[in-house]
Amino acid sequence: LAKTTQPISMDSYEGQEVNITCSHNNIATNDYITWYQQFPSQGPRFIIQGYKTKVTNEVASLFIPADRKSSTLSLPRVSLSDTAVYYCLVGGNNFNKFYFGSGTKLNVKP
Amino acid sequence: GAVVSQHPSWVICKSGTSVKIECRSLDFQATTMFWYRQFPKQSLMLMATSNEGSKATYEQGVEKDKFLINHASLTLSTLTVTSAHPEDSSFYICSARNGTGNNQPQHFGDGTRLSIL
Repeated sequence: LAKTTQPISMDSYEGQEVNITCSHNNIATNDYITWYQQFPSQGPRFIIQGYKTKVTNEVASLFIPADRKSSTLSLPRVSLSDTAVYYCLVGGNNFNKFYFGSGTKLNVKP
Repeated sequence: GAVVSQHPSWVICKSGTSVKIECRSLDFQATTMFWYRQFPKQSLMLMATSNEGSKATYEQGVEKDKFLINHASLTLSTLTVTSAHPEDSSFYICSARNGTGNNQPQHFGDGTRLSIL
């Protein structure tokens, strides 16, 4: 069962690029890495998923080194509305279980 | 696509009442759904894995007779909190995966806030 470790919190200012790193040292060969955003009293929202190297979509980029023991979520030019908790999850098999780590509370300041 | 709906979004009831929460995948079929519980300012804690057509798999420490899970169709899983007490008050969230491939992420409902008086 892959365990993830993230910084508890991060501060940033509007317009800055934010990078949140997640450690997952015991990731399995067939595991994918998925990042979610959660606002208070809402369910987590899918941001991005990757297996290796770099993945980019309209809201974020995900960087995964060759050993896949960590990953970095990159949010370009954050705004106040990006203030939320960000979780990385590791897993993939159909009946695999997904355990949430502590997440990273991102606080974007004006 | 990949929308998961939970109902109700908020429940307030008296101690001893049983409460049913529904989780539906609206535009895809989900053979596996997951149920989580989240206390204030804490992370999500996996309670059980709901498998269509078979018994749910519960995490250690989660009472299966207390939290009844039924996954009778490929688009609906229900969680029933039986004889709820104040300590069961929490935010309950379900998720579902669209397909069985390794690259299929979970899609989450918006949660159900359960308050037991």
